[in-house]
Amino acid sequence: EAQVTQNPRYLITVTGKKLTVTCSQNMNHEYMSWYRQDPGLGLRQIYYSMNVEVTDKGDVPEGYKVSRKEKRNFPLILESPSPNQTSLYFCASSRTRDTEAFFGQGTRLTVV
Amino acid sequence: QKEVEQNSGPLSVPEGAIASLNCTYSDRGSQSFFWYRQYSGKSPELIMSIYSNGDKEDGRFTAQLNKASQYVSLLIRDSQPSDSATYLCAVKGVGSSYKLIFGSGTRLLVRP
Repeated sequence: EAQVTQNPRYLITVTGKKLTVTCSQNMNHEYMSWYRQDPGLGLRQIYYSMNVEVTDKGDVPEGYKVSRKEKRNFPLILESPSPNQTSLYFCASSRTRDTEAFFGQGTRLTVV
Repeated sequence: QKEVEQNSGPLSVPEGAIASLNCTYSDRGSQSFFWYRQYSGKSPELIMSIYSNGDKEDGRFTAQLNKASQYVSLLIRDSQPSDSATYLCAVKGVGSSYKLIFGSGTRLLVRP
């Protein structure tokens, strides 16, 4: 089954403790991205990747890192999480730059 | 002015009626447009993509695009209570970056 898989689905952590949210797609898509969704603010892009080793900032990159060492994986790294990073996070992938994006199940992160 | 604008709703329609959801966008050069459905706490699910002016039909759904007016809409015929969700309009950003810009969504309620 074609899918985008994120882990974990739910995570509660403490301020400053480094964490990684994994994202993997099995569709051989070139493009991958991370979004956060907050009430009243909608979906906002954090980072995106157009291919292996090619990443760039989205609209809200501060406090996040990403890497794309393999085509299928695009992890999101929070080196020192803060409470304002409490949010619902989605990973997505697309076959090309202009075609539809398919989303993972989401990761609900709470930073206390 | 927001890049992609939607009425937040809620839009309430009776079961069996046509629901009409609207979206305007600011960048005249945009070429790719998408409608997603999102149930509370779940990931966005692609309903339709549209790239050319005119109508595109898929089952009970019809997307309409008017690039001159910078307007894209989604019609849902024979609305069902299970269609109750938030509908997100997304527009591919112009240029070489991989940017998908989302509206804040319209909440649809279908009354039995």
